[in-house]
Amino acid sequence: DAGITQSPRYKITETGRQVTLMCHQTWSHSYMFWYRQDLGHGLRLIYYSAAADITDKGEVPDGYVVSRSKTENFPLTLESATRSQTSVYFCASSGGQGLGNTEAFFGQGTRLTVV
Amino acid sequence: AQKVTQAQTEISVVEKEDVTLDCVYETRDTTYYLFWYKQPPSGELVFLIRRNSFDEQNEISGRYSWNFQKSTSSFNFTITASQVVDSAVYFCALSEARNAGNMLTFGGGTRLMVKP
Repeated sequence: DAGITQSPRYKITETGRQVTLMCHQTWSHSYMFWYRQDLGHGLRLIYYSAAADITDKGEVPDGYVVSRSKTENFPLTLESATRSQTSVYFCASSGGQGLGNTEAFFGQGTRLTVV
Repeated sequence: AQKVTQAQTEISVVEKEDVTLDCVYETRDTTYYLFWYKQPPSGELVFLIRRNSFDEQNEISGRYSWNFQKSTSSFNFTITASQVVDSAVYFCALSEARNAGNMLTFGGGTRLMVKP
């Protein structure tokens, strides 16, 4: 199906474990983003990517790793999960700010609980 | 650095009332984009509008209207004759032109509860 999909939708993991959240988009958008949503903070940018093999830190990158070997995929890895990483994670993609690119498109979100 | 402030964390209205959600932003760029997103109880983010910094015309879309004022760095959102289905969290966001990919800085969100 066309669009942007995240998996899993829900995940419970234990402190110290590695967990990877997947994001896949079918539009061949250049830009992809990971945000986390926490009460009172809105959404904050974790990492973003301007193209395959190009990634950069956002506002809250500590404890996260990303990769982008293919344009359509942008996985987010928590190397050693902590309770403070309990959050809802949103992946987004965008074609850029050029003509016709009016918005970033968001996935459905992944609710991650670290116990 | 860019910043978006939504001072109203929660608003409660009765159906058919008009309600305005406030958004104040900070940026040093002269070219930027402002957005509103809706997050219904189901959790997804629904795009509502994008405005660029050179277009200060107010916009109306059905019961929704937006008032963009550069002089006060505000981009307020009004729902006329609110309905229960408008109950959601609403986010205002900013993207600076230097960030070519529509990288967004979000406000903290305003939870709107519309009671029947």
